[in-house]
Amino acid sequence: EAQVTQNPRYLITVTGKKLTVTCSQNMNHEYMSWYRQDPGLGLRQIYYSMNVEVTDKGDVPEGYKVSRKEKRNFPLILESPSPNQTSLYFCASSAALGGEQFFGPGTRLTVL
Amino acid sequence: EDKVVQSPLSLVVHEGDTVTLNCSYEVTNFRSLLWYKQEKKAPTFLFMLTSSGIEKKSGRLSSILDKKELFSILNITATQTGDSAVYLCAVDLFQGGSEKLVFGKGTKLTVNP
Repeated sequence: EAQVTQNPRYLITVTGKKLTVTCSQNMNHEYMSWYRQDPGLGLRQIYYSMNVEVTDKGDVPEGYKVSRKEKRNFPLILESPSPNQTSLYFCASSAALGGEQFFGPGTRLTVL
Repeated sequence: EDKVVQSPLSLVVHEGDTVTLNCSYEVTNFRSLLWYKQEKKAPTFLFMLTSSGIEKKSGRLSSILDKKELFSILNITATQTGDSAVYLCAVDLFQGGSEKLVFGKGTKLTVNP
C-alpha cells in the first residue's frame, strides 16, 4: 500500500530536549515536505526536499533541521525544542512539488 | 508577500444544499493551484488546476481556475454529512529558484442532516 508514515504520532517533551520525528514514504517520490498546522494559521511549510541531499527552507524553518540521505526518508529534527513549537506536524511526499501530495498521519507534538 | 486567502472561513449548510468555496491568491510565478479535503486527520488531495477556465470534476465536486482574476472556486452539489471537513486551497509557485507551496487557512464546512 502506498503510504507516508510518521513516528511518533504523539509526543510530549520538555524544552531543550532534542527530538527527531521520522518520515518515510514507499512511493519512490522525489519531493518530500514538512508542514506544521496551527489553529488560525493553517498549514505552513517548514522545509522541503527535491531529492537526496537537496533541501530548502519553507516559510517557517527557524528551530528545525532536516536531512535527506535516502530517497524514502526525511526526518525532522528539533535540536532544542521550545513551547512555541507545540503543533501538529505533517510530512508529505509527491512526484512533483506542485502535484498531488500524499500526507502522513501527523505527529502531535507538545513541548512543555 | 505571497498570499492565499480562502472564504468563507466557515460555513454551515443542510444536506442537499450546494456550496461554493472561494480561494483567491496573490503570488509571483504561479505554477498550479491545488484543493485538499481535511477531516480529523491528514489532508487528502482533491484537484490540481493549472489552466484557466477548465473545470475539473469528480462526482459531486468540481473546481475551476481563473488565472486572470486570480481565484478558484470549489463547488459541492447535493452536500452530504460526509462532506463535513476543512477544505484547503494551496498554490504552488516559484520563488528564488526553488518551488514553494503556500496554503490558505481553509474553509470549515459543516453539513447538518
